[in-house]
Amino acid sequence: DTGVSQNPRHKITKRGQNVTFRCDPISEHNRLYWYRQTLGQGPEFLTYFQNEAQLEKSRLLSDRFSAERPKGSFSTLEIQRTEQGDSAMYLCASSSGLAPGPQYFGPGTRLTVL
Amino acid sequence: QKEVEQNSGPLSVPEGAIASLNCTYSDRGSQSFFWYRQYSGKSPELIMSIYSNGDKEDGRFTAQLNKASQYVSLLIRDSQPSDSATYLCAVIGGSQGNLIFGKGTKLSVKP
Repeated sequence: DTGVSQNPRHKITKRGQNVTFRCDPISEHNRLYWYRQTLGQGPEFLTYFQNEAQLEKSRLLSDRFSAERPKGSFSTLEIQRTEQGDSAMYLCASSSGLAPGPQYFGPGTRLTVL
Repeated sequence: QKEVEQNSGPLSVPEGAIASLNCTYSDRGSQSFFWYRQYSGKSPELIMSIYSNGDKEDGRFTAQLNKASQYVSLLIRDSQPSDSATYLCAVIGGSQGNLIFGKGTKLSVKP
């Protein structure tokens, strides 16, 4: 059990560019969540996958955001046409079980949009 | 809109003292509660889960839950400078298990 991993750890991009982040959950964890955290705030839920199915999306997930979890393993989060307001820490968390339970977070990807 | 409220602090305690962190939540139907510790620039780390009314102890940490008052707290005994961090309270907010977080309480333990 190596924990949740995320890549890249930092990303600096110019406004209007597309970016993609990757999350590798803890092995055998069927539940995968994406959150966004800005300075001074708690993490805010973006989207949820159970295995390969995307079952829930927050209102925060605008049309410029898309997420996938092919084959129920790793997940990607893509932001198209980035805006300065997208600057934040993007966190991935995973958990296991038939029912919701404790979630374990990866180190996060810090996005800076110039 | 389900909400979790925490005093943002900072809460400052001397080394060796008990730190008491508090959290209230709006959804009376919430069943699962978590405390995460977050060091500056790092991601949240799970330190406690609690599901039933009463106290749950794990080492120097004690979580307390009172569903009638919609209140959950975290006590840290024998506080150490290494406990200095932001403590996030979270509840499961949706049927799929997404967490709703408070803004966190910043704890500073002075040597």
